[in-house]
Amino acid sequence: GAGVSQSPRYKVAKRGQDVALRCDPISGHVSLFWYQQALGQGPEFLTYFQNEAQLDKSGLPSDRFFAERPEGSVSTLKIQRTQQEDSAVYLCASSEDSLRSNQPQHFGDGTRLSIL
Amino acid sequence: GNSVTQMEGPVTLSEEAFLTINCTYTATGYPSLFWYVQYPGEGLQLLLKATKADDKGSNKGFEATYRKETTSFHLEKGSVQVSDSAVYFCALNSAGAGSYQLTFGKGTKLSVIP
Repeated sequence: GAGVSQSPRYKVAKRGQDVALRCDPISGHVSLFWYQQALGQGPEFLTYFQNEAQLDKSGLPSDRFFAERPEGSVSTLKIQRTQQEDSAVYLCASSEDSLRSNQPQHFGDGTRLSIL
Repeated sequence: GNSVTQMEGPVTLSEEAFLTINCTYTATGYPSLFWYVQYPGEGLQLLLKATKADDKGSNKGFEATYRKETTSFHLEKGSVQVSDSAVYFCALNSAGAGSYQLTFGKGTKLSVIP
């Protein structure tokens, strides 16, 4: 089906390396969100795009985290100089238009990042 | 700020037992409320939602009622099946929050045994 697609599904990196995680939202969805889910916890908000504009990045934990969505479709979350505490599942979600608050968000299967 | 509190798990039930997972919230404005389910090895799936007070969301035999007076959105199912084994997340977004990010509870793991 045409759901939210994330790649890679699993990523192992050594501490200090840079990583890039990709999200393909549902076609036509204007809003795109990134969340971080630590083991045994609920997802926590990282950042939000409306089309290509990054309207909220208040959840990014440090300046090592950077996200972009240059053409308003595919998004990439980049983590520079990875640390062990970055190990988590990174979830991407999209919705038709999140300026309408009752629009449900549709999630991808996530990328499980492990930092050694 | 916004927050969601769920009952801690894990919860283990026998097949056909009654299920309740408690969820309470704190939010600014008038939040919409959601239950998401995460099956093993899969992403989050929307189970049901309610957008205003006294609304009842329902899907696949699960129900939850938006109770503004008690700030609660408890999940219930009359007769659980083994296939309902999963982690359940209560979540909200708030119309006044700007970006409509979801705020999640920590999740409740449900195991249903035959």
